[in-house]
Amino acid sequence: AQSVTQPDIHITVSEGASLELRCNYSYGATPYLFWYVQSPGQGLQLLLKYFSGDTLVQGIKGFEAEFKRSQSSFNLRKPSVHWSDAAEYFCAVGGYTGGFKTIFGAGTRLFVKA
Amino acid sequence: NAGVTQTPKFRVLKTGQSMTLLCAQDMNHEYMYWYRQDPGMGLRLIHYSVGEGTTAKGEVPDGYNVSRLKKQNFLLGLESAAPSQTSVYFCASSPGTRNTIYFGEGSWLTVV
Repeated sequence: AQSVTQPDIHITVSEGASLELRCNYSYGATPYLFWYVQSPGQGLQLLLKYFSGDTLVQGIKGFEAEFKRSQSSFNLRKPSVHWSDAAEYFCAVGGYTGGFKTIFGAGTRLFVKA
Repeated sequence: NAGVTQTPKFRVLKTGQSMTLLCAQDMNHEYMYWYRQDPGMGLRLIHYSVGEGTTAKGEVPDGYNVSRLKKQNFLLGLESAAPSQTSVYFCASSPGTRNTIYFGEGSWLTVV
């Protein structure tokens, strides 16, 4: 079965600083990988996704993520964080395990300080 | 642009009561999902459907039932609510397996 681990429950960064959110997955084949963002009281919105090809994928709002098969990781990065980026971020892995499922990590809450 | 619509948005139930959460999508998506979100646990898949008339179990299906009688609707039922089912429930849909999942705004359920 596939699984996702987000090691950091919460992270605080200063506005303008760079950001990296960690995600590790477990899946026997090439996974479909996603990052979603959730603002308070809202549903989830897709930031970016990886299916195949270039391992560095660009997303919305200036985010990017890099797929590293050898490390089973799909870390999310942003060079300069804005206060509006404060939210909860979820990594997800999709794969066929007795039917296709998309499984989410526990999330990382990002706090941005002025 | 309605997208994925969930009703009700808020509900308080007594232990042992039953209820149904309704989800409707207007994007003609084949796949639909029900997740629950609890603090520190992220989103956990309850049940999902890969097309009209089909349902399948996710990670945490116990205590829930679902039906997909029409392509655009996916119903989540609680036959006998328990306090452990207090959660935020999200319905979602996608065109297929490799596509973006679109989420509703959530339904806050409290079981007392």
